[in-house]
Amino acid sequence: NAGVTQTPKFQVLKTGQSMTLQCAQDMNHEYMSWYRQDPGMGLRLIHYSVGAGITDQGEVPNGYNVSRSTTEDFPLRLLSAAPSQTSVYFCASSYSIEQPGYTFGSGTRLTVV
Amino acid sequence: GNSVTQMEGPVTLSEEAFLTINCTYTATGYPSLFWYVQYPGEGLQLLLKATKADDKGSNKGFEATYRKETTSFHLEKGSVQVSDSAVYFCALSASNTGNQFYFGTGTSLTVIP
Repeated sequence: NAGVTQTPKFQVLKTGQSMTLQCAQDMNHEYMSWYRQDPGMGLRLIHYSVGAGITDQGEVPNGYNVSRSTTEDFPLRLLSAAPSQTSVYFCASSYSIEQPGYTFGSGTRLTVV
Repeated sequence: GNSVTQMEGPVTLSEEAFLTINCTYTATGYPSLFWYVQYPGEGLQLLLKATKADDKGSNKGFEATYRKETTSFHLEKGSVQVSDSAVYFCALSASNTGNQFYFGTGTSLTVIP
């Protein structure tokens, strides 16, 4: 099925560990982004990309890295996990930044202990 | 700056009741406005949108009208069903910030039989 695929769905990390959250879309969307969802705070933009090879920071980028080597994939890396990064992470994509309207993945629930 | 304010939940209604979820926004320029719905354990799905003043977005019995004079985009449904139980997010996308999305904090709706 076409859409945005995120893996894993659940993950538990120890403080200081690193990991990569995967995101892939098969809709040939140029624009991709990562959000975190925390209770009472809605969704906050971490990083986004307007096309392969181009990334930029969102509202809460600290502690996260991204890269966009292909149109399809947009992985999010946690360099040294902290308890404050416990959250639900959503990847989203859209055809272009000029045509707003996201397709969201089903999310990754991350717990850092 | 750009921001979205939604009524706080949770909201509990009986089946067939009338639903209103208030949403107001602050934006420079002419934003596009959206309602997204998140069912338990899933990502966000676009419910409806409006791209200019006085436009009415509608889908699945839900409606919202873009009111520039009151900077509002309230979500309404005439007769809710148990299957409408979800979290609803109001969002805006503004061209002056590269069409980045700004989400409200979400309103949880529970419909009881």
